[in-house]
Amino acid sequence: DTGVSQDPRHKITKRGQNVTFRCDPISEHNRLYWYRQTLGQGPEFLTYFQNEAQLEKSRLLSDRFSAERPKGSFSTLEIQRTEQGDSAMYLCASSLKLGGIGGYTFGSGTRLTVV
Amino acid sequence: DQQVKQNSPSLSVQEGRISILNCDYTNSMFDYFLWYKKYPAEGPTFLISISSIKDKNEDGRFTVFLNKSAKHLSLHIVPSQPGDSAVYFCAASGGRTGTASKLTFGTGTRLQVTL
Repeated sequence: DTGVSQDPRHKITKRGQNVTFRCDPISEHNRLYWYRQTLGQGPEFLTYFQNEAQLEKSRLLSDRFSAERPKGSFSTLEIQRTEQGDSAMYLCASSLKLGGIGGYTFGSGTRLTVV
Repeated sequence: DQQVKQNSPSLSVQEGRISILNCDYTNSMFDYFLWYKKYPAEGPTFLISISSIKDKNEDGRFTVFLNKSAKHLSLHIVPSQPGDSAVYFCAASGGRTGTASKLTFGTGTRLQVTL
């Protein structure tokens, strides 16, 4: 297993365009998380799946954002009508459970630049 | 409202000396705390964690101390090595959701270990 994989690593898009990111978690992990990190800040929670069910969404996740995890495997995060404020590193993580065994395994992230 | 705070944005320590990174939290519902290390262009990597029922956890050169009454935790690295140079994030879980499914991160401390 090569860990959590995210694609693409970098994305530059024009304001107003839609973008979609993909995350492939560690295969035996049933929990998948999306975080966003902006310059000088720590990662901020966006949403969380257990298998295919989206169990929690942050208020940061506006109507322009949608995340899916069909069949409880890979996940996609789509941003519609991108704005310059969406420029950030989008991090995906997966885990079996939180607490006692080391938390999440993060991917290397997708860096989004909206111009 | 920053519930997890790392007030020192940077720290420089000589190789072989002790590095002490500090973290304060405001939410008394947090019951599990983690430290992550992040290198440039990579996702955060889990380092060490501690449950609120303990006040110390040690793993090799890394020790985390928790002072619940002061809502303060610290990470000690002894001895510090040049490879420890990275950004360190403190994170906490628990909170009002009670699910321990999301982490709240601090803003990070950049540690530089000099020769």
